[in-house]
This record gives sequence, C-alpha cells and structure tokens, in this order.
Amino acid sequence: EAGVAQSPRYKIIEKRQSVAFWCNPISGHATLYWYQQILGQGPKLLIQFQNNGVVDDSQLPKDRFSAERLKGVDSTLKIQPAKLEDSAVYLCASSPNFGDTQYFGPGTRLTVL
Amino acid sequence: DAKTTQPTSMDCAEGRAANLPCNHSTISGNEYVYWYRQIHSQGPQYIIHGLKNNETNEMASLIITEDRKSSTLILPHATLRDTAVYYCIVRATGNQFYFGTGTSLTVIP
Repeated sequence: EAGVAQSPRYKIIEKRQSVAFWCNPISGHATLYWYQQILGQGPKLLIQFQNNGVVDDSQLPKDRFSAERLKGVDSTLKIQPAKLEDSAVYLCASSPNFGDTQYFGPGTRLTVL
Repeated sequence: DAKTTQPTSMDCAEGRAANLPCNHSTISGNEYVYWYRQIHSQGPQYIIHGLKNNETNEMASLIITEDRKSSTLILPHATLRDTAVYYCIVRATGNQFYFGTGTSLTVIP
C-alpha cells in the first residue's frame, strides 16, 4: 500500500513570497490533516478535512494560510505571503476515517529567508 | 496542549531492550495512549496504541499501569535504526493528536 505522498520535499523562498504544498493521502482515506512542525517541537495541527469538508481549522492562521481539498482526495496548503516564522516542516497525514490512527507523509521543509 | 510527561532523552545499547516511560496522570477514562516515533527528516510513524490492556505488535509492546497514570513503550531488541524521537500521546477518539517534545532515543553500538 502506498503511503502519504507530499511534494516538494524542500522549498526555499524569500519573505513575502507565496508557496504551495501538495499532499496525496493513502487511497481510500477520508480524513486528511496538515501539521506544522517547527524545529525542536512536536507537530502542531493546522487543519483537518473530512472528505472535502473542513472539520477543524481553529489553529490555521487564516490571514496568510489557506488549504483546500476540492475533490476529497489530494490537498493543497498555501502560504501567502510568507513570514520568517513560517520556516518549518509541513506534514500531511491521513486516516481511514475521522478519529482513526493517522499516517504521516515525509513532509515539506520550508525555509523562509 | 500535551497531557504527557516524557524524559527529554535516553540512551540504549544496541540489542538491548529500550524502555521508554510516559506519565499521563490526568488521563480520562475514554482516552487512549498512542506512541509515534519520528526518525530524522521523516514524518512521524505510528507504533502502537492501547486503552487499558497491554498491547504488542511487530514493532513494540505497550505496558499501561493498572491506574492508567503511566505507561512504558518497550522496543525488545533495539537497533541503530530505532534512533528517533518517540512521542507519547493521550487522545480520546475523534480528538486531536497533541504532540509534545517527546523523548530522543539514541541507540548506541
């Protein structure tokens, strides 16, 4: 079974630029999550989708971050404009259904200069 | 916020059992204990979870005390590839996973 796929693996941008990350969950998984992991810390949930609907986006900085999962399969997380403090690893995870064990992708390491 | 307490770091000799403790003294009756690990530059990897009873799978064993206030993850024969950060998380079904800073385990040759 293929795991969660993410791209790109690495991205370097300058502050105030825009960036987008892509995630393809495990086939058949209804729930998709985006996490932010700052160096030295554990992952922090940003947003959670059930199929193509948002379940929880309470920790998403909505003034600059947005995410979508239009067809209920893959998802895109966007940052516009980026700040220095957005430098982190962005992790995507999926689970068969809401509340099930989550399986993580390899992450995208973002560096904002 | 994380509801668990773990040692910051631990060492273990290769081939020996690694016993990683976790304190969760405020755990509720409907909360499970989950363990994930994160090898450098990879996403977190699910290891095991349990509610009351001890659990074992091909990766590890989870021992939960009778009062459920603490647990221990056991890697029976640690290898160098087990060097990672190990996260202990308590979570009720449907709730978020709150990752703390975990325990950095170093397996020494």
